[in-house]
Amino acid sequence: KQEVTQIPAALSVPEGENLVLNCSFTDSAIYNLQWFRQDPGKGLTSLLLIQSSQREQTSGRLNASLDKSSGRSTLYIAASQPGDSATYLCAVSPYNQGGKLIFGQGTELSVKP
Amino acid sequence: EAGVAQSPRYKIIEKRQSVAFWCNPISGHATLYWYQQILGQGPKLLIQFQNNGVVDDSQLPKDRFSAERLKGVDSTLKIQPAKLEDSAVYLCASTRGRTNTGELFFGEGSRLTVL
Repeated sequence: KQEVTQIPAALSVPEGENLVLNCSFTDSAIYNLQWFRQDPGKGLTSLLLIQSSQREQTSGRLNASLDKSSGRSTLYIAASQPGDSATYLCAVSPYNQGGKLIFGQGTELSVKP
Repeated sequence: EAGVAQSPRYKIIEKRQSVAFWCNPISGHATLYWYQQILGQGPKLLIQFQNNGVVDDSQLPKDRFSAERLKGVDSTLKIQPAKLEDSAVYLCASTRGRTNTGELFFGEGSRLTVL
């Protein structure tokens, strides 16, 4: 059974710091991995989608990597800003499960001015 | 392009009452999902539709939850009777194709409080 774990559960950093969020999954048989952002009381916004054949994806100050063999992904945020404060969720799409996503519990990020 | 629309955004009910949530996916998206997100946890899939057919409802508590997507577009999720533990945000998501390679788009969610 696929399980997704995110560490740490919460993180507080000063503005300007570079930071890394971690995601691990137990079964490497996945189609893709997605990172989402969730603001309080809001839905999920997709940040980056990494297909299983890819190693990383970049969008602006965000870079996500995927190491399928070790069951790990990282989300790197450069030069963090207070506006980056949110909960970050990673999710994997397992093979032969109709496209559903299995989510981690999220990392709540707070960037202090 | 309009996003995934959900209503109502908020609902407060007493336990044992019923409630219904509505979702309109992005136009042309064949696959629709309902997820339940309990406070402090990641979303958990309740049911997945491919057009108007159910693909996966293995985690749907069928004694109290039901969902339909009659014309392969809009979907309704119903809870009857509600329990305290059903307090959560109900998220609807859609994706274009049948495959697993696409990006999922989520609505803003419907927040349910059961008293």
